[in-house]
Amino acid sequence: EAGVAQSPRYKIIEKRQSVAFWCNPISGHATLYWYQQILGQGPKLLIQFQNNGVVDDSQLPKDRFSAERLKGVDSTLKIQPAKLEDSAVYLCASSHGLAGELFFGEGSRLTVL
Amino acid sequence: LAKTTQPISMDSYEGQEVNITCSHNNIATNDYITWYQQFPSQGPRFIIQGYKTKVTNEVASLFIPADRKSSTLSLPRVSLSDTAVYYCLVGDADGASGTYKYIFGTGTRLKVLA
Repeated sequence: EAGVAQSPRYKIIEKRQSVAFWCNPISGHATLYWYQQILGQGPKLLIQFQNNGVVDDSQLPKDRFSAERLKGVDSTLKIQPAKLEDSAVYLCASSHGLAGELFFGEGSRLTVL
Repeated sequence: LAKTTQPISMDSYEGQEVNITCSHNNIATNDYITWYQQFPSQGPRFIIQGYKTKVTNEVASLFIPADRKSSTLSLPRVSLSDTAVYYCLVGDADGASGTYKYIFGTGTRLKVLA
């Protein structure tokens, strides 16, 4: 079974530029999550999708972050414009059902200069 | 939303049993307790999940007392490769949306020494 795929693995941009991260969850997984992990901290949930609908985006900085999950499969997380404090690893995870095991991708490491 | 509290770090030696305790005083009736392991430059990986009493798999055991206000992850005979960050999660079930939200805490950094 293929795991959660994320790209790019690494991205370096300057502040005020934009960046987009892509995630392909495990086939058949209805729930998709985006987490932000700052160095030395635990992952912080940014947004959670159930199929193609958003069920929780309370921690998403909506003035600069946006995410979509077209057709309930792939998802894209965008940051525009980026700030220095957005430097982090962005983790995508998916799960099959409620309270199910989360399967994480390897993450996309963003450095904002 | 149930919050978890874990020790920030622990050291152990190879071959020893390691027990990491997590406090979750406000756990809700329908919440599960889940533990994840994270190595540097990787996403977290599921270790074990339980609701009450004891759960055991090929990697670890999870002990949950009757009041469910805490849980203990037990790693038998650790090796150097078990050096990682371990997260205790208590899920947050949303009855309105029918979803389950996992909130990570700061985790416990386990260092296994030779």
